[in-house]
Amino acid sequence: LAKTTQPISMDSYEGQEVNITCSHNNIATNDYITWYQQFPSQGPRFIIQGYKTKVTNEVASLFIPADRKSSTLSLPRVSLSDTAVYYCLVGGDNAGNNRKLIWGLGTSLAVNP
Amino acid sequence: ETGVTQTPRHLVMGMTNKKSLKCEQHLGHNAMYWYKQSAKKPLELMFVYSLEERVENNSVPSRFSPECPNSSHLFLHLHTLQPEDSALYLCASSQDRGTGAAQPQHFGDGTRLSIL
Repeated sequence: LAKTTQPISMDSYEGQEVNITCSHNNIATNDYITWYQQFPSQGPRFIIQGYKTKVTNEVASLFIPADRKSSTLSLPRVSLSDTAVYYCLVGGDNAGNNRKLIWGLGTSLAVNP
Repeated sequence: ETGVTQTPRHLVMGMTNKKSLKCEQHLGHNAMYWYKQSAKKPLELMFVYSLEERVENNSVPSRFSPECPNSSHLFLHLHTLQPEDSALYLCASSQDRGTGAAQPQHFGDGTRLSIL
């Protein structure tokens, strides 16, 4: 089972770029890397997913080095509404493997004015 | 609109009550999940259904009983709960193609359950 390690908390200011790095040394060949965002009293929301190199969508970028033992979620120009908990998970290529996902405590990001 | 709707949003019940949590997904997915999220703890997977068949039961006490009548609906029947069962219960769905294509989960906003 691939376990991830990410910082417990981070602080930032509005307009800054925020990079959250996640370590996953035991990532398996078939594992994908997925990031979720969670606001208080809401369910996690899918942000971005990747397998290797770089993935970009309208809200974030995901950088994955060649060895895939870590990944970095990049949030450009954060705003107060980006204050949330961010989870990094590896695995989950189907429901059968989604059940093996290990959810940690995530990274609590606080964006200050 | 998340595509996954959970009702009720809040539930307070006594330890001897029987209640049910409901989850409905409007995304056409074929896999559904129940998670428990307690304060200061990671999400704990409780049950997984794929194609309406239960494929995972993570040693959940029998006082929690899931039901998946079709691919769009998922229930969690509760009876004789304990105070430590107070938590946020989250439902999620995903499309299980089993082809190796990654399928992220879509979550509802949960039911906040309080046991008196």
